[in-house]
Amino acid sequence: DGGITQSPKYLFRKEGQNVTLSCEQNLNHDAMYWYRQDPGQGLRLIYYSQIVNDFQKGDIAEGYSVSREKKESFPLTVTSAQKNPTAFYLCASSIGVRSFSYNEQFFGPGTRLTVL
Amino acid sequence: AQSVSQHNHHVILSEAASLELGCNYSYGGTVNLFWYVQYPGQHLQLLLKYFSGDPLVKGIKGFEAEFIKSKFSFNLRKPSVQWSDTAEYFCAVTFNQGGKLIFGQGTELSVKP
Repeated sequence: DGGITQSPKYLFRKEGQNVTLSCEQNLNHDAMYWYRQDPGQGLRLIYYSQIVNDFQKGDIAEGYSVSREKKESFPLTVTSAQKNPTAFYLCASSIGVRSFSYNEQFFGPGTRLTVL
Repeated sequence: AQSVSQHNHHVILSEAASLELGCNYSYGGTVNLFWYVQYPGQHLQLLLKYFSGDPLVKGIKGFEAEFIKSKFSFNLRKPSVQWSDTAEYFCAVTFNQGGKLIFGQGTELSVKP
């Protein structure tokens, strides 16, 4: 059953702690993305990766870090430098690379992070 | 800056009413246009997309959207909504080839049975 998995579904952390959100895809997609969803603001791009071992900052990268060591995995770390980390985080993937802008993005179920 | 605007934040309709959700974007160059839907508790999924050709595109579940280049708009329509259409709807645009997907703020649709 192909798709994107994100874990955990809910995550609670204390202020000042780093936390890593998992994203795995078995769609054999080259491109992967991380978005943050806040009420009334739509989805905002945090980081994206078009190919293994390469990634670029999105519109709101400050306080976040990523890695792309394997094609199927794109974990996101929310660091203590992120001023307002409580949000819903969505991971997505697309075929990508050659026709980056044309390809449909497929989304995971999301992780809701709450910082106490 | 490139941006996407959805003017309706929350729309409430009765079943069988017609639906039109507005989407406007800021850039006059080449764009690819998408509507995504997020049903309660489900993944964000693609409703329809426009790349080129016929500006009236049809998507899943009876939805359609019309690209009007002169108005920088890509409004979503459905002639008769159902309770199951209750969801949040997002318009998204890529500006130029290789561009990032930029989302509008989203419109929450509530359909009363």
